[in-house]
Amino acid sequence: AQKITQTQPGMFVQEKEAVTLDCTYDTSDPSYGLFWYKQPSSGEMIFLIYQGSYDQQNATEGRYSLNFQKARKSANLVISASQLGDSAMYFCAMRASLTDSWGKLQFGAGTQVVVTP
Amino acid sequence: DTGVSQNPRHKITKRGQNVTFRCDPISEHNRLYWYRQTLGQGPEFLTYFQNEAQLEKSRLLSDRFSAERPKGSFSTLEIQRTEQGDSAMYLCASSPPVGQGTSGEDNEQFFGPGTRLTVL
Repeated sequence: AQKITQTQPGMFVQEKEAVTLDCTYDTSDPSYGLFWYKQPSSGEMIFLIYQGSYDQQNATEGRYSLNFQKARKSANLVISASQLGDSAMYFCAMRASLTDSWGKLQFGAGTQVVVTP
Repeated sequence: DTGVSQNPRHKITKRGQNVTFRCDPISEHNRLYWYRQTLGQGPEFLTYFQNEAQLEKSRLLSDRFSAERPKGSFSTLEIQRTEQGDSAMYLCASSPPVGQGTSGEDNEQFFGPGTRLTVL
């Protein structure tokens, strides 16, 4: 069975600092995709960044970067230069090509990030 | 606004009543997903449509739940005889056809704002 684990239920970070959100996954599927989504208090899930299991380089998207360590099965999200608007719930998700052939995502429990001035 | 829309945004109902939610995906997206999110948890997959065909259903989708996408555009999710355990946020997401993802990722899913259901 596939599983996504986010061990940090909540984090405080000071404005302009960087923060790393942990995500580990478990799958026997050789091909999979890893996603990070942000969910503000309004409830909408906002796509941030994607990493494919065969991608040679770590994904980056603006202030977001994904520290992909395939052997450790981890896909940590790094947010650089935190802003007050980054305060939200962050979810790690996975799609395994064989198990989730229709593309459904499996989500972790999330990490609540609070950015302080 | 060309994003995914969901209606209603909030629904309060009494136990035993039926409720129906609607999702309008992004117009060119042929793939549509329903998820359920309970408090403090990540979303859980419920069902998937490709065009009008319902291709996958989670075991979470009991026989009280039914989803449709009759013309391959909007979708509805109906819960019959609601129970207090059905209280959750119901999220809809859509994806473009395979190979047409704007970020190069075929399975990037665009989520709607959700429908928050409270069963009293």
